[in-house]
Amino acid sequence: AQSVTQLGSHVSVSEGALVLLRCNYSSSVPPYLFWYVQYPNQGLQLLLKYTTGATLVKGINGFEAEFKKSETSFHLTKPSAHMSDAAEYFCAVSMTAGNKLTFGGGTRVLVKP
Amino acid sequence: EPEVTQTPSHQVTQMGQEVILRCVPISNHLYFYWYRQILGQKVEFLVSFYNNEISEKSEIFDDQFSVERPDGSNFTLKIRSTKLEDSAMYFCAIGTSGSADTQYFGPGTRLTVL
Repeated sequence: AQSVTQLGSHVSVSEGALVLLRCNYSSSVPPYLFWYVQYPNQGLQLLLKYTTGATLVKGINGFEAEFKKSETSFHLTKPSAHMSDAAEYFCAVSMTAGNKLTFGGGTRVLVKP
Repeated sequence: EPEVTQTPSHQVTQMGQEVILRCVPISNHLYFYWYRQILGQKVEFLVSFYNNEISEKSEIFDDQFSVERPDGSNFTLKIRSTKLEDSAMYFCAIGTSGSADTQYFGPGTRLTVL
């Protein structure tokens, strides 16, 4: 069975600092990879995804993630944190198009002024 | 991004009662999913629905749960006899025919079982 591990359930960053959220997956074949963001009392919004092609993918709000097959990782970064980035971030994988998503435990980001 | 609405936003029910949660995609979609998130826990897959039938379900999705598209538009999740442990946020997600690899989520229904 697939599993997704997000290192760090809480991350605190200063405004303007780098945001780095880690995601590792277990899969024998490269899955489809996603990052979702959940703002307080809201649903899950797609930030970015990797399916095929370029391993560095750019998403909304200045976020990007890099798929590294050798490390089975899909870490999310943003060069400069903004107060509005405070939210919970979820990494997810699926094995094929239309297949279920398996989520990591989530990382809550706190941005300090 | 496709728009998905869910009703109600919050449902409070007594243990043993039936609840129906609704998902309303704004346009026509092919793939439908239900997930739930118990407070403080991971988002968990419940069921996927494609071509008007269940394509996959998790072990959570037992006989107490059912899904249907009664009018070809709404997508519903029914819990026949709710338990305390069913209290969670329930999310509907949809996948489009042009982007089957991506799921777009609704805002969720918070179910509280007393």
